[in-house]
Amino acid sequence: QKEVEQNSGPLSVPEGAIASLNCTYSDRGSQSFFWYRQYSGKSPELIMSIYSNGDKEDGRFTAQLNKASQYVSLLIRDSQPSDSATYLCAVRAFSGGYNKLIFGAGTRLAVHP
Amino acid sequence: GAGVSQSPSNKVTEKGKDVELRCDPISGHTALYWYRQSLGQGLEFLIYFQGNSAPDKSGLPSDRFSAERTGGSVSTLTIQRTQQEDSAVYLCASSIGTAPNYGYTFGSGTRLTVV
Repeated sequence: QKEVEQNSGPLSVPEGAIASLNCTYSDRGSQSFFWYRQYSGKSPELIMSIYSNGDKEDGRFTAQLNKASQYVSLLIRDSQPSDSATYLCAVRAFSGGYNKLIFGAGTRLAVHP
Repeated sequence: GAGVSQSPSNKVTEKGKDVELRCDPISGHTALYWYRQSLGQGLEFLIYFQGNSAPDKSGLPSDRFSAERTGGSVSTLTIQRTQQEDSAVYLCASSIGTAPNYGYTFGSGTRLTVV
């Protein structure tokens, strides 16, 4: 079982719609979660972080966390063609005294006009 | 520097040759990470340095891979006797620390092609 799982997509949504991206993780002890956006040929950039159960909103983005279900999601409201990218879910994992981000394979989002 | 700097941006090498990839983290960032990303794949963790602590090498795929970080700043990832399966984008990231709420800032990566 992969530590961080995402649907690879593509997820296709019309402009102006809500895009919903989902991620599940296997380490029940994980405490912090991140969403990165990666445009084709570019490096990932951090767009959201969340640590507590519930919702966290930042502009058009809302991150949702449910630790009991080991589930984290990202909602993008009023989707724009410029949101078309791969979205990577990352979970901070602790092992052997070290901690690092473990990334999912990413979900490709396509917003069409 | 203002961001994480990686060099070279592209490297084409012949199978069997050694390569060195360089990463210069953001000034003041104590944690430095190397990941690699194969075409269409997610990020695979390679190695992580935190201050003067022993590095976490648990992600290095074979003993052909090694990395060092001199003076707590610049890091070099070395791949010896390169193989075609080593072809990927190698990404370096740094973080101000390792507290749970710290995310990473990535460099623009080195695209390695082994022919």
